[in-house]
Amino acid sequence: KAGVTQTPRYLIKTRGQQVTLSCSPISGHRSVSWYQQTPGQGLQFLFEYFSETQRNKGNFPGRFSGRQFSNSRSEMNVSTLELGDSALYLCASGMEQETQYFGPGTRLLVL
Amino acid sequence: GQNIDQPTEMTATEGAIVQINCTYQTSGFNGLFWYQQHAGEAPTFLSYNVLDGLEEKGRFSSFLSRSKGYSYLLLKELQMKDSASYLCAVSRAAGNKLTFGGGTRVLVKP
Repeated sequence: KAGVTQTPRYLIKTRGQQVTLSCSPISGHRSVSWYQQTPGQGLQFLFEYFSETQRNKGNFPGRFSGRQFSNSRSEMNVSTLELGDSALYLCASGMEQETQYFGPGTRLLVL
Repeated sequence: GQNIDQPTEMTATEGAIVQINCTYQTSGFNGLFWYQQHAGEAPTFLSYNVLDGLEEKGRFSSFLSRSKGYSYLLLKELQMKDSASYLCAVSRAAGNKLTFGGGTRVLVKP
């Protein structure tokens, strides 16, 4: 099976812009979760989608949003970018209450 | 609380054994994961413990004590390629939300 794929892999934006990241889960996986990883805060949970519904949400501001499509692909959007949003954004897919597998991530740099 | 504690860094010699401890709050606990992450790469799955006891997978083993809120990852016959960060993560809520510890950077020296 193909693994989790994420696009784009690298992205440079400026403050105030918005960005959309995409994640395609492993075939058959209906759960997609998003995480932010920074040197200072480590890996932090953003949200999880299951069957097109947001099932869990982390402690991030409303500028961070996401959605899931009927084919389980997911997108996350960050509006009004801030310098502190520079991070590695990781997507993970899995079955119910089982192992999650991570994609390669999108490295976002906000200037 | 959500605190998951693991040492920041450990150093060991090639061929040796290293044990990485992880402690967590037990409320709402579902299961515990260990991931390996090389610098600049995504985390890769190592092990998943739900029940008490030891799970062995080749050179890597993981132990869980649910009542004590304690787990460890044991790396045997260390190789240079094992130099990486090792992340302990706890699943609590319904669904697949993981809370991660800060990670333990393991440096394997010749």
